[in-house]
Amino acid sequence: DVKVTQSSRYLVKRTGEKVFLECVQDMDHENMFWYRQDPGLGLRLIYFSYDVKMKEKGDIPEGYSVSREKKERFSLILESASTNQTSMYLCASSSTGAATNEKLFFGSGTQLSVL
Amino acid sequence: GENVEQHPSTLSVQEGDSAVIKCTYSDSASNYFPWYKQELGKRPQLIIDIRSNVGEKKDQRIAVTLNKTAKHFSLHITETQPEDSAVYFCAASNMDTGRRALTFGSGTRLQVQP
Repeated sequence: DVKVTQSSRYLVKRTGEKVFLECVQDMDHENMFWYRQDPGLGLRLIYFSYDVKMKEKGDIPEGYSVSREKKERFSLILESASTNQTSMYLCASSSTGAATNEKLFFGSGTQLSVL
Repeated sequence: GENVEQHPSTLSVQEGDSAVIKCTYSDSASNYFPWYKQELGKRPQLIIDIRSNVGEKKDQRIAVTLNKTAKHFSLHITETQPEDSAVYFCAASNMDTGRRALTFGSGTRLQVQP
């Protein structure tokens, strides 16, 4: 079974802090994604990556950056956390190919509170 | 970019009834439409998907229909059971371009009353 592991389930940070959210997958997936989930807004794409050292902006990249130094690890960075970044953050991975239809495997999420 | 709208935001049905959730998309180039189910406190999981070359797909009690002309697709759940209670998300993407990432709808909270 594919495992996508997010380093923290709950995180509390202060405004202005630099925050790192880590995600590791164990299935050699090429593609990794960061979404944030807010009630009534669904899942919104922040950043994604189709290869090591490659990154693409999603729909709401402002205030975030990412790092993918190794295939299995995709980090989301909040350079200077703000209260409007309080949210549930979901990491996902997928494999490219017609057979899989790039099915997303999600991590269990990190609930981030910025005070 | 792609925009996906999903309705209704909440849906309450009696056990055994059918439930229908509808989504519309904006980008006519989108060709892949999955549905994810998220139970309370758990991660979203794929339950069914459809490609644009197919009009309907069925898997036991769930089915998805796609109308490319109208740019909408729907999830149908028949004979609903309490374990169907969850939040359902539709999504769309174009799997043939550089950006293959899914754009999700806002979600539908389905409650099945015993």
